[in-house]
Amino acid sequence: AAGVIQSPRHLIKEKRETATLKCYPIPRHDTVYWYQQGPGQDPQFLISFYEKMQSDKGSIPDRFSAQQFSDYHSELNMSSLELGDSALYFCASSLSSVASGRFRTDTQYFGPGTRLTVL
Amino acid sequence: AQSVAQPEDQVNVAEGNPLTVKCTYSVSGNPYLFWYVQYPNRGLQFLLKYITGDNLVKGSYGFEAEFNKSQTSFHLKKPSALVSDSALYFCAVNPSGTYKYIFGTGTRLKVLA
Repeated sequence: AAGVIQSPRHLIKEKRETATLKCYPIPRHDTVYWYQQGPGQDPQFLISFYEKMQSDKGSIPDRFSAQQFSDYHSELNMSSLELGDSALYFCASSLSSVASGRFRTDTQYFGPGTRLTVL
Repeated sequence: AQSVAQPEDQVNVAEGNPLTVKCTYSVSGNPYLFWYVQYPNRGLQFLLKYITGDNLVKGSYGFEAEFNKSQTSFHLKKPSALVSDSALYFCAVNPSGTYKYIFGTGTRLKVLA
């Protein structure tokens, strides 16, 4: 079965540079999520998109921005990179639904991650 | 504040023995509950979830988890551990009406041959 695809898998940048991470969700999934996992840490939610609109926001720095495109792929743009941005960045996708006026999202399936190293 | 706790940083168990990895949560409403496994330098792999119904849910690779509403717990279990089960296990909670997961801090499972 098709999984979530992330590119690149590894990225090395200098401080103050910019980086763009890409995520291709599982076909027919309409919701995309971004998480940041520092060394020895649990994944921290950054931001999510449902049907190309931002749906939820977590601890995403103002230097970062993201969007979901018409083909449902998503990009995380990171500017003015800092040493502390070095981490594993995961994208996840899921299928969401609204039932009885309440929103629910199904299981999130994670990509392999992009390891960002800032020197 | 909403939170997920995995009280053990590491669990050691002998191969063939039963294993339990603990998870408790503090989230209002009726959240969805999940377990994921992470191997070194790999993504998170979905193991199982609880949404509603039977308190014992079965998942991939022989894992199961028991939901206890009064104790707000969702412990991961396996009757007979394998060396290949050695990995990092994360409990996650999806609060109702939100998109995000809140993860526990992870428990490293080490199965000894």
